[in-house]
Amino acid sequence: SAVISQKPSRDICQRGTSLTIQCQVDSQVTMMFWYRQQPGQSLTLIATANQGSEATYESGFVIDKFPISRPNLTFSTLTVSNMSPEDSSIYLCSVEGPSGVGGSYEQYFGPGTRLTVT
Amino acid sequence: QKEVEQDPGPLSVPEGAIVSLNCTYSNSAFQYFMWYRQYSRKGPELLMYTYSSGNKEDGRFTAQVDKSSKYISLFIRDSQPSDSATYLCAAPPRGSYIPTFGRGTSLIVHP
Repeated sequence: SAVISQKPSRDICQRGTSLTIQCQVDSQVTMMFWYRQQPGQSLTLIATANQGSEATYESGFVIDKFPISRPNLTFSTLTVSNMSPEDSSIYLCSVEGPSGVGGSYEQYFGPGTRLTVT
Repeated sequence: QKEVEQDPGPLSVPEGAIVSLNCTYSNSAFQYFMWYRQYSRKGPELLMYTYSSGNKEDGRFTAQVDKSSKYISLFIRDSQPSDSATYLCAAPPRGSYIPTFGRGTSLIVHP
């Protein structure tokens, strides 16, 4: 299994500002994922980040709003830019790894960053 | 229509009750299904995998898949207060390991 840490764990930010969320994994991984979990909504994939290449964004998410860095195989950052109250959400970092419960692979998640935009 | 639908609850039950959590899905290409458990202020963690129609049991937990009706269930026997969490069903599309998640059902087991 992978152990994932995120910073900050929570933040309250002003409208129009930006916040960078850091994700650190305890082992080298090829792909890292960023998810958004809005209140009452599905866990939604924002983008997939491979080391050494541009992140791949899902429909509805753009690089200008959610720039991602992936400088090495254990670290990634997600920036939420020009924030509005609609960006208030939990942001989760995830990696893929061999499953510990009998399947092939599973997603391992960090504890999340709880963002409130006022 | 979302690909994986789940009633958000909350579902409140007394300790010792049998809990039934359910999902429906619309994508026939889903080949296997997962249940994740998410405690408050934590990330989701994988609880169970099921590959085919039928039941899969693991301790107090039983996962059930009915592909003919596109219905997924998770049963918890002898529920405990420590089972209080949000349960998310998920399934990856064919050719991908990245799952599509339901909204999650909040479960509260009170002593």
